[in-house]
Amino acid sequence: RKEVEQDPGPFNVPEGATVAFNCTYSNSASQSFFWYRQDCRKEPKLLMSVYSSGNEDGRFTAQLNRASQYISLLIRDSKLSDSATYLCVVISSGSARQLTFGSGTQLTVLP
Amino acid sequence: AAGVIQSPRHLIKEKRETATLKCYPIPRHDTVYWYQQGPGQDPQFLISFYEKMQSDKGSIPDRFSAQQFSDYHSELNMSSLELGDSALYFCASSLSSVNEQFFGPGTRLTVL
Repeated sequence: RKEVEQDPGPFNVPEGATVAFNCTYSNSASQSFFWYRQDCRKEPKLLMSVYSSGNEDGRFTAQLNRASQYISLLIRDSKLSDSATYLCVVISSGSARQLTFGSGTQLTVLP
Repeated sequence: AAGVIQSPRHLIKEKRETATLKCYPIPRHDTVYWYQQGPGQDPQFLISFYEKMQSDKGSIPDRFSAQQFSDYHSELNMSSLELGDSALYFCASSLSSVNEQFFGPGTRLTVL
């Protein structure tokens, strides 16, 4: 079982839709959490860090539930440019900050 | 804003050859990480350096070695290349005081 699990999708949604991605992690000692996006054959780009209190950045909202070991990402008013693979990423305790990636959820926003 | 620079961007090698990948971190970033992403896979951590010292080691084969230099750039040296080493190799950098890592554009290595 992977340390970080995501629904691979694909998610195909119309422009303007709201879409939610979920992620679970198995190491209860994980200490830091992120969402990255990756376009085909390009580098992962940091979308946002995820904090226990939840955080929002424009159309993007991230939530963390430590008790359930669950992370979510909500995208409102989807744009065509949001089409990408969204990677759930954690840093486990004692790992000197190496990132552990989920397999990613593929999103396609349709016109 | 300046980003992480990696060179070369593409590299084609034959089996059993050697390769050297270079990474120049974002200015003032003191920590460098190397990741390998095989086709259709998620990135896997290889190794990291802080202040020129190895800080963590992941699934890096013994055939590979890396170092960080006094100007904080890093090099990943790969020897006895195998077909399975064909992958995207990403370098990421960060400040030691924060957890956020920023990735370079990657080097695409093809081993024939």
